[in-house]
Amino acid sequence: KAGVTQTPRYLIKTRGQQVTLSCSPISGHRSVSWYQQTPGQGLQFLFEYFSETQRNKGNFPGRFSGRQFSNSRSEMNVSTLELGDSALYLCASSLIPKDNEQFFGPGTRLTVL
Amino acid sequence: DQQVKQNSPSLSVQEGRISILNCDYTNSMFDYFLWYKKYPAEGPTFLISISSIKDKNEDGRFTVFLNKSAKHLSLHIVPSQPGDSAVYFCAASAGGSQGNLIFGKGTKLSVKP
Repeated sequence: KAGVTQTPRYLIKTRGQQVTLSCSPISGHRSVSWYQQTPGQGLQFLFEYFSETQRNKGNFPGRFSGRQFSNSRSEMNVSTLELGDSALYLCASSLIPKDNEQFFGPGTRLTVL
Repeated sequence: DQQVKQNSPSLSVQEGRISILNCDYTNSMFDYFLWYKKYPAEGPTFLISISSIKDKNEDGRFTVFLNKSAKHLSLHIVPSQPGDSAVYFCAASAGGSQGNLIFGKGTKLSVKP
């Protein structure tokens, strides 16, 4: 079956803009988590969604938000972009919430200029 | 403050030899540990996990050892193969297999033919 897909794969934005990233989980997976990966901080947990509800949130400012749709697809939004938001944003899906044997997508590489 | 540390950013090993990747943690509440492997332009792939009630878990060429008193875990790959060349992330959770994951910054393994 198809893996986790993320769109777009690459994105370039300028400071102050906003961006929306999309994630489609593996068919049948209902839990979606988002992570930010940077060289300096490694992989950091952003938030987790299940049944259209945010179940958990990492330590990120309110500029980072997300949502999940009834088909389990998820989007994350970053408003008022800052240079430090440049990172690889990874989405992971699992059958049940907080199942740590998650399946990751290839990521969206965001560059903020 | 980093709760999960991978102090070696890179490791180079000859094909057929043993690769040992190390990970230290500071939070004594962590009770579940995982290793992920990441190839360039792909998301991390779950490799192996261990619960704190065990001190060893083996899966084929991969073995994870946990030393709770030292707050240290290691991943052994024997024998190493060129296809093992990737970045390896150690992750820990304080909620069993369903807790939030805290990742290390990764170790880049290069296996030379």
